[in-house]
Amino acid sequence: DGGITQSPKYLFRKEGQNVTLSCEQNLNHDAMYWYRQDPGQGLRLIYYSQIVNDFQKGDIAEGYSVSREKKESFPLTVTSAQKNPTAFYLCASSPRGAANQPQHFGDGTRLSIL
Amino acid sequence: AQTVTQSQPEMSVQEAETVTLSCTYDTSENNYYLFWYKQPPSRQMILVIRQEAYKQQNATENRFSVNFQKAAKSFSLKISDSQLGDTAMYFCAFTRLGGSQGNLIFGKGTKLSVKP
Repeated sequence: DGGITQSPKYLFRKEGQNVTLSCEQNLNHDAMYWYRQDPGQGLRLIYYSQIVNDFQKGDIAEGYSVSREKKESFPLTVTSAQKNPTAFYLCASSPRGAANQPQHFGDGTRLSIL
Repeated sequence: AQTVTQSQPEMSVQEAETVTLSCTYDTSENNYYLFWYKQPPSRQMILVIRQEAYKQQNATENRFSVNFQKAAKSFSLKISDSQLGDTAMYFCAFTRLGGSQGNLIFGKGTKLSVKP
């Protein structure tokens, strides 16, 4: 079955450490997205990529970095510059240029600070 | 900038009854899409229903229907014959056509509890 796989499900970060969240999709979607979800807040867009080797900042990109070397993969790195990284992170994908296609979501990664 | 507002942080409904969740949005765009997503305790986001702004007819998916009022920028979700499995966070979302197409803007969500 096609879908989006996020790993790990739970992740702990030490102070000053960079950590990378994995997102892989086999839906053949061009576009991929990273969202952050905090309690009492809606999902907020961190980064998105409409095509391989290209990505754009979302609303809260500071302290995060991404790469898009393959169509199937869109890893998110939470850097030490992100001072409040504790949150639930959701990856999504969609066909490019198709606003009428809803985004498909992974099961998420919960990141906590040690 | 587009914004999405859900004014009801929490709601509850008795099983088999009907409940309506509110959503308003602000945009200067004329062509856009609106969505309702469900996030159960498992945390996976699931599409419930979508509405194209250029369609006047309200979208319906089984027990779920919307009341889309374009002039009022209102997009409410009605759940009929509520079931225990409907217990979840519900998010209203907006995306516009063109530009950064496909980027969803979410409201803060409404936590719905269905009581037996």
